[in-house]
Amino acid sequence: DGGITQSPKYLFRKEGQNVTLSCEQNLNHDAMYWYRQDPGQGLRLIYYSQIVNDFQKGDIAEGYSVSREKKESFPLTVTSAQKNPTAFYLCASSPRQGVDYEQYFGPGTRLTVT
Amino acid sequence: SQQGEEDPQALSIQEGENATMNCSYKTSINNLQWYRQNSGRGLVHLILIRSNEREKHSGRLRVTLDTSKKSSSLLITASRAADTASYFCATDKEGGSEKLVFGKGTKLTVNP
Repeated sequence: DGGITQSPKYLFRKEGQNVTLSCEQNLNHDAMYWYRQDPGQGLRLIYYSQIVNDFQKGDIAEGYSVSREKKESFPLTVTSAQKNPTAFYLCASSPRQGVDYEQYFGPGTRLTVT
Repeated sequence: SQQGEEDPQALSIQEGENATMNCSYKTSINNLQWYRQNSGRGLVHLILIRSNEREKHSGRLRVTLDTSKKSSSLLITASRAADTASYFCATDKEGGSEKLVFGKGTKLTVNP
C-alpha cells in the first residue's frame, strides 16, 4: 500500500526532553510538510521540504527542527525550547511543493508533554 | 495570518439532509482546496478548484467558487452518518505564496 506513516500514534514525554516524531512516505513525493493542530484549530505549518537535503521554516518553526536526508523520510524533533509542545502533529507530502498539488496526510501523532 | 475562514463553526443535521459549508478568504488565490478530517485522524483531500473555475463535482460533493466575493462553498448532498467529520478549506497564504493555509474548519455532525 502506498501512503504516509507516522509513528508512534501517541507519545508521552516529560518537560525538558527532546522528542523525535517519525514520518515516512512511499509515494515518491518530492515535498513533505509538518503541521501542528491544536484543539478546535486549523493546521499551522512548522517546516516543509521541497527536496532532499533542503527544508524551510514555516509559520511556527521555533522550538522545532527537521532533517531530510532521504526522500522517504522527514523526521521532526520537538526540542525543550518549544514552550507548549502538547499537540496533534500531522505529516503530509505532495508530488511537488506548491499550492497546485493536493497534500496526502499521515494519521498523526498526539504528543503529550507533562 | 488567517486566509480562509469556514462558516459555520459547527453544523448538525439529520441523515439524508444536505450540508453546506462556506469558506471566505481575504486575498486573491490561485486555487482553493477542501479537506475532510475524521476525529483524531489525518486529513483527506476532497476537491481542488482553480481560480478560473466556478463549480466542481465529485460524487455527492459540489464545490463552488466565487472570486468576486472571495468565497467558496462545499455542499454535501444526501448526507450519511459517515460524513460526520471536520471540513477544512485551504488556500494560498497570500496569492502566489506557494504555501497552503488551512482554516479552522467546520465540524459537521450527521445524526442517524
